Amino acid sequence: RKEVEQDPGPFNVPEGATVAFNCTYSNSASQSFFWYRQDCRKEPKLLMSVYSSGNEDGRFTAQLNRASQYISLLIRDSKLSDSATYLCVVPTSGTYKYIFGTGTRLKVLA
Amino acid sequence: NAGVMQNPRHLVRRRGQEARLRCSPMKGHSHVYWYRQLPEEGLKFMVYLQKENIIDESGMPKERFSAEFPKEGPSILRIQQVVRGDSAAYFCASSPRDSYNSPLHFGNGTRLTVT
Repeated sequence: RKEVEQDPGPFNVPEGATVAFNCTYSNSASQSFFWYRQDCRKEPKLLMSVYSSGNEDGRFTAQLNRASQYISLLIRDSKLSDSATYLCVVPTSGTYKYIFGTGTRLKVLA
Repeated sequence: NAGVMQNPRHLVRRRGQEARLRCSPMKGHSHVYWYRQLPEEGLKFMVYLQKENIIDESGMPKERFSAEFPKEGPSILRIQQVVRGDSAAYFCASSPRDSYNSPLHFGNGTRLTVT
Protein backbone atom coordinates (compact mmCIF):
# COMPACT_ATOMS: atom_id res chain seq x y z
CA ARG A 1 0.00 0.00 0.00
CA LYS A 2 1.27 3.46 -0.90
CA GLU A 3 1.98 5.84 1.99
CA VAL A 4 -0.44 8.39 0.57
CA GLU A 5 -2.86 7.51 -2.18
CA GLN A 6 -5.23 9.63 -4.25
CA ASP A 7 -7.51 8.97 -7.19
CA PRO A 8 -5.83 10.87 -10.07
CA GLY A 9 -9.13 11.72 -11.74
CA PRO A 10 -9.90 13.81 -13.66
CA PHE A 11 -13.14 14.68 -11.98
CA ASN A 12 -15.25 16.62 -14.49
CA VAL A 13 -18.13 18.40 -12.78
CA PRO A 14 -20.53 21.17 -13.82
CA GLU A 15 -20.46 24.57 -12.19
CA GLY A 16 -22.38 24.60 -8.92
CA ALA A 17 -21.88 20.92 -8.25
CA THR A 18 -20.52 19.44 -5.05
CA VAL A 19 -17.47 17.23 -5.41
CA ALA A 20 -15.46 15.21 -2.92
CA PHE A 21 -12.00 13.67 -3.08
CA ASN A 22 -10.52 11.10 -0.76
CA CYS A 23 -6.93 10.56 0.28
CA THR A 24 -5.85 7.41 2.12
CA TYR A 25 -2.71 7.19 4.24
CA SER A 26 -0.87 4.21 5.67
CA ASN A 27 0.80 5.60 8.81
CA SER A 28 -1.72 5.40 11.62
CA ALA A 29 0.49 7.64 13.79
CA SER A 30 0.11 10.65 11.47
CA GLN A 31 -1.16 13.68 13.36
CA SER A 32 -1.52 16.39 10.76
CA PHE A 33 -2.73 16.53 7.20
CA PHE A 34 -2.75 19.17 4.50
CA TRP A 35 -4.59 19.83 1.27
CA TYR A 36 -2.79 21.88 -1.36
CA ARG A 37 -4.01 23.23 -4.65
CA GLN A 38 -1.73 23.32 -7.66
CA ASP A 39 -2.58 25.14 -10.86
CA CYS A 40 -0.86 24.18 -14.07
CA ARG A 41 2.84 25.12 -13.96
CA LYS A 42 2.45 26.94 -10.67
CA GLU A 43 3.60 26.21 -7.14
CA PRO A 44 1.41 24.24 -4.69
CA LYS A 45 -0.57 26.52 -2.43
CA LEU A 46 -1.88 25.54 0.97
CA LEU A 47 -5.64 25.14 0.92
CA MET A 48 -6.43 23.61 4.30
CA SER A 49 -4.75 22.10 7.35
CA VAL A 50 -6.39 19.30 9.31
CA TYR A 51 -5.25 18.50 12.83
CA SER A 52 -8.30 16.92 14.42
CA SER A 53 -11.58 15.72 13.03
CA GLY A 54 -11.93 18.30 10.31
CA ASN A 55 -11.83 21.86 9.12
CA GLU A 56 -14.13 24.15 7.16
CA ASP A 57 -13.35 27.28 5.19
CA GLY A 58 -16.16 28.71 3.13
CA ARG A 59 -17.06 26.27 0.36
CA PHE A 60 -14.30 23.87 1.37
CA THR A 61 -14.57 21.21 4.08
CA ALA A 62 -11.91 18.71 5.05
CA GLN A 63 -12.79 15.65 7.12
CA LEU A 64 -10.50 13.21 8.86
CA ASN A 65 -11.44 9.60 9.47
CA ARG A 66 -8.72 8.08 11.66
CA ALA A 67 -10.35 4.68 11.93
CA SER A 68 -10.31 4.20 8.16
CA GLN A 69 -7.19 6.31 7.67
CA TYR A 70 -8.42 8.74 5.09
CA ILE A 71 -9.05 12.44 4.73
CA SER A 72 -11.56 13.94 2.38
CA LEU A 73 -11.95 17.30 0.71
CA LEU A 74 -15.44 18.51 -0.12
CA ILE A 75 -16.01 21.45 -2.44
CA ARG A 76 -19.50 22.90 -2.56
CA ASP A 77 -20.92 25.13 -5.28
CA SER A 78 -17.96 24.49 -7.59
CA LYS A 79 -16.59 27.45 -9.55
CA LEU A 80 -14.69 27.41 -12.82
CA SER A 81 -11.73 28.78 -10.87
CA ASP A 82 -11.67 25.64 -8.71
CA SER A 83 -10.24 23.72 -11.67
CA ALA A 84 -6.82 22.57 -10.48
CA THR A 85 -4.94 19.59 -9.08
CA TYR A 86 -5.53 18.93 -5.39
CA LEU A 87 -2.63 17.42 -3.46
CA CYS A 88 -2.91 15.53 -0.21
CA VAL A 89 0.16 15.84 2.03
CA VAL A 90 0.84 13.83 5.17
CA PRO A 91 3.87 14.52 7.40
CA THR A 92 5.40 11.41 8.87
CA SER A 93 4.91 11.67 12.61
CA GLY A 94 8.12 12.40 14.49
CA THR A 95 10.15 13.11 11.36
CA TYR A 96 10.68 15.87 8.86
CA LYS A 97 9.26 13.91 5.94
CA TYR A 98 6.20 15.17 4.08
CA ILE A 99 4.60 12.53 1.90
CA PHE A 100 2.77 13.85 -1.16
CA GLY A 101 -0.05 12.15 -2.95
CA THR A 102 0.06 12.23 -6.73
CA GLY A 103 -2.87 14.62 -6.80
CA THR A 104 -6.47 14.61 -8.03
CA ARG A 105 -7.34 16.67 -11.09
CA LEU A 106 -10.58 18.62 -11.00
CA LYS A 107 -12.18 20.25 -14.01
CA VAL A 108 -15.22 22.41 -13.43
CA LEU A 109 -17.20 22.82 -16.61
CA ALA A 110 -19.37 25.75 -17.63
CA ASN B 1 6.38 39.19 5.52
CA ALA B 2 8.07 37.82 2.43
CA GLY B 3 7.30 34.28 1.44
CA VAL B 4 9.71 31.73 0.03
CA MET B 5 11.76 33.41 -2.66
CA GLN B 6 13.19 31.50 -5.59
CA ASN B 7 15.24 32.79 -8.45
CA PRO B 8 15.50 32.80 -11.29
CA ARG B 9 11.91 32.12 -12.35
CA HIS B 10 13.09 30.79 -15.70
CA LEU B 11 16.50 29.45 -16.58
CA VAL B 12 17.67 28.29 -19.98
CA ARG B 13 20.88 26.31 -20.27
CA ARG B 14 22.57 24.45 -23.08
CA ARG B 15 23.55 20.85 -22.59
CA GLY B 16 26.75 20.59 -20.57
CA GLN B 17 26.38 23.91 -18.78
CA GLU B 18 25.77 24.39 -15.07
CA ALA B 19 22.50 25.49 -13.49
CA ARG B 20 22.28 27.21 -10.12
CA LEU B 21 18.91 27.61 -8.48
CA ARG B 22 18.49 29.75 -5.38
CA CYS B 23 15.97 29.64 -2.57
CA SER B 24 15.51 31.93 0.42
CA PRO B 25 13.11 30.46 2.99
CA MET B 26 10.42 32.39 4.76
CA LYS B 27 11.58 34.55 7.63
CA GLY B 28 11.92 32.39 10.73
CA HIS B 29 12.12 29.13 8.77
CA SER B 30 15.34 27.19 8.91
CA HIS B 31 14.30 24.01 7.09
CA VAL B 32 14.44 23.87 3.31
CA TYR B 33 13.15 21.21 0.95
CA TRP B 34 13.76 20.92 -2.78
CA TYR B 35 11.30 19.16 -5.10
CA ARG B 36 11.37 18.49 -8.83
CA GLN B 37 8.32 18.26 -11.03
CA LEU B 38 8.51 16.92 -14.54
CA PRO B 39 5.76 17.89 -17.02
CA GLU B 40 2.48 16.12 -16.26
CA GLU B 41 3.98 14.41 -13.20
CA GLY B 42 3.80 14.85 -9.42
CA LEU B 43 6.29 16.46 -7.06
CA LYS B 44 9.36 14.37 -6.34
CA PHE B 45 11.36 14.96 -3.16
CA MET B 46 15.01 15.69 -3.78
CA VAL B 47 16.72 16.95 -0.64
CA TYR B 48 16.06 18.33 2.83
CA LEU B 49 18.47 20.75 4.47
CA GLN B 50 18.90 22.75 7.60
CA LYS B 51 21.43 25.52 7.97
CA GLU B 52 24.86 24.10 7.11
CA ASN B 53 23.53 20.53 7.14
CA ILE B 54 22.16 18.14 4.56
CA ILE B 55 19.69 16.00 6.47
CA ASP B 56 18.30 13.81 3.70
CA GLU B 57 19.42 13.72 0.09
CA SER B 58 17.85 10.39 -0.77
CA GLY B 59 15.94 11.90 -3.68
CA MET B 60 18.95 13.47 -5.36
CA PRO B 61 20.43 11.82 -8.44
CA LYS B 62 23.81 10.35 -7.53
CA GLU B 63 25.73 12.43 -10.01
CA ARG B 64 25.76 16.07 -11.13
CA PHE B 65 23.32 17.29 -8.48
CA SER B 66 24.28 18.95 -5.22
CA ALA B 67 22.64 21.21 -2.67
CA GLU B 68 23.76 23.45 0.12
CA PHE B 69 22.26 25.78 2.68
CA PRO B 70 25.04 27.94 4.08
CA LYS B 71 24.96 29.81 7.35
CA GLU B 72 24.47 33.03 5.44
CA GLY B 73 22.56 33.36 2.21
CA PRO B 74 20.09 31.27 0.26
CA SER B 75 19.97 27.56 -0.32
CA ILE B 76 21.50 26.58 -3.65
CA LEU B 77 20.59 23.62 -5.85
CA ARG B 78 23.38 23.05 -8.33
CA ILE B 79 23.15 20.90 -11.45
CA GLN B 80 26.36 20.33 -13.30
CA GLN B 81 26.61 19.35 -16.98
CA VAL B 82 22.89 19.61 -17.53
CA VAL B 83 21.11 17.24 -19.90
CA ARG B 84 17.71 17.57 -21.59
CA GLY B 85 16.16 15.26 -19.00
CA ASP B 86 16.90 17.86 -16.30
CA SER B 87 14.29 20.16 -17.83
CA ALA B 88 11.64 20.52 -15.14
CA ALA B 89 10.16 22.85 -12.56
CA TYR B 90 12.17 22.94 -9.35
CA PHE B 91 10.29 24.01 -6.25
CA CYS B 92 11.71 24.98 -2.91
CA ALA B 93 9.67 24.84 0.28
CA SER B 94 10.40 25.86 3.83
CA SER B 95 9.03 25.04 7.25
CA PRO B 96 9.61 26.30 10.77
CA ARG B 97 12.30 24.72 12.89
CA ASP B 98 11.31 21.48 14.61
CA SER B 99 7.70 21.68 13.61
CA TYR B 100 6.74 18.82 11.38
CA ASN B 101 3.07 19.55 12.07
CA SER B 102 3.34 22.82 10.18
CA PRO B 103 2.59 22.98 6.49
CA LEU B 104 5.26 23.55 3.89
CA HIS B 105 5.35 26.93 2.18
CA PHE B 106 6.44 26.84 -1.45
CA GLY B 107 8.29 29.30 -3.58
CA ASN B 108 7.05 29.99 -7.09
CA GLY B 109 9.64 27.68 -8.59
CA THR B 110 12.39 27.79 -11.19
CA ARG B 111 11.59 26.42 -14.61
CA LEU B 112 14.73 24.97 -16.10
CA THR B 113 14.89 24.40 -19.83
CA VAL B 114 17.87 22.58 -21.28
CA THR B 115 18.36 23.10 -24.98
